[in-house]
Formats: sequence, C-alpha cells, structure tokens
Amino acid sequence: LAKTTQPISMDSYEGQEVNITCSHNNIATNDYITWYQQFPSQGPRFIIQGYKTKVTNEVASLFIPADRKSSTLSLPRVSLSDTAVYYCLNQAGTALIFGKGTTLSVSS
Amino acid sequence: KAGVTQTPRYLIKTRGQQVTLSCSPISGHRSVSWYQQTPGQGLQFLFEYFSETQRNKGNFPGRFSGRQFSNSRSEMNVSTLELGDSALYLCASSLLGGSNTGELFFGEGSRLTVL
Repeated sequence: LAKTTQPISMDSYEGQEVNITCSHNNIATNDYITWYQQFPSQGPRFIIQGYKTKVTNEVASLFIPADRKSSTLSLPRVSLSDTAVYYCLNQAGTALIFGKGTTLSVSS
Repeated sequence: KAGVTQTPRYLIKTRGQQVTLSCSPISGHRSVSWYQQTPGQGLQFLFEYFSETQRNKGNFPGRFSGRQFSNSRSEMNVSTLELGDSALYLCASSLLGGSNTGELFFGEGSRLTVL
C-alpha cells in the first residue's frame, strides 16, 4: 500500500516552473523523502532526496515543511524532455514502495 | 562508469515455462534489488540481495526467486509462468542497500511477455 498521495497528472508549458506536491501519510522518523522520475520503458531515475527543510541540486529543489507531512518537488523552467512520471516516496531502505506517481506533460 | 545492465531486454515465453533474468550492478555496489512493473499494479518490490544473501522480500509467490553471486551479479527466476507475469522487470543497485536510504540506480529493465 503506497504511503504517499500525489496528483495523477499535471500539465505545463516549456519554460514554466512546475511544482508537484506530495502528501506523506504516516511518514516514519527514519524515513527520507525521495523523488524519482521515470520515462516510458525505462527504469526510474533518482531526482532528489531530503529529510527536512530545503534541498537543491542541479535539476530540482525539494521543499519539506517542519512536520514532514508533505513535500514539494520544484522543477525550474521545464522542457519537453521533462515529460515523465514523477514518484514521491517515504524511503527507509531499498524496498521502495511506489505509488501511482504524477504524469507530467510538458507542451510547447 | 557503466550503469546497471539487464539482460535480456526483451523476451517472449509461453505459459508454464520458466525464465531467468540477469542483472549486473554498478561496479562496487553490493546491493541488488528487483522490481516488477505492470500497468495495473505499478512498481512493486520483489526482493533484495546483499553479499549473496536475500535480505528483504516483497509479497510475491514462491515462483519468483533470485540469487546473487560473489561478484554481486544477480539473477531472478520465475517458474511456471502465468499470463499475469507479463511485465517490465527492473533491477536496481545501490552501494549498501538494506536500511540505507541512498540512491538506487535502476537498469532499463527486461520486458517479459507471456503468451
């Protein structure tokens, strides 16, 4: 049973910033919040991970409030190649529990 | 460095047969985990191996099994194939695995079709 809840789909245009919010139901103290991206017929690819506050890397930012009940993945200036499924997870090891994910569609 | 390599990429089997899939992790990674992805059930964890020992197992029947070799390469086997076993089987490697929350590196998967 997935422990996270996220929108099924989102639409955006090239150049816009996209924010995908996830609810982390019953997140445990030891869980990290992790986001993966998956293109059709490929394995998921790690995007970013955090425990609390804000984390930024070269492709995205992750915002986690103090209560850790939600997280927001921010993708700056998306392009057509960012069209994919995005998964948020409560991660406490390598036995990942994936939900349905959010299908992001970017148009020109 | 080379990523996670899975073979074969595509295969077709008939009901009742068995299949063996192979996964070569990133050099130096000792943990290999397997996932099944179907349109209906999404991505589901099968099992994880570390240093040739199964460390974690998902909720799949005993027809699904695996093993890991001393060089960390892993194989998974599905016996007595059923139509519902048609799926993309993904392998992921990580440095430590287990309760470690680090990044998993996924391969491109093996697409199994059962007729």
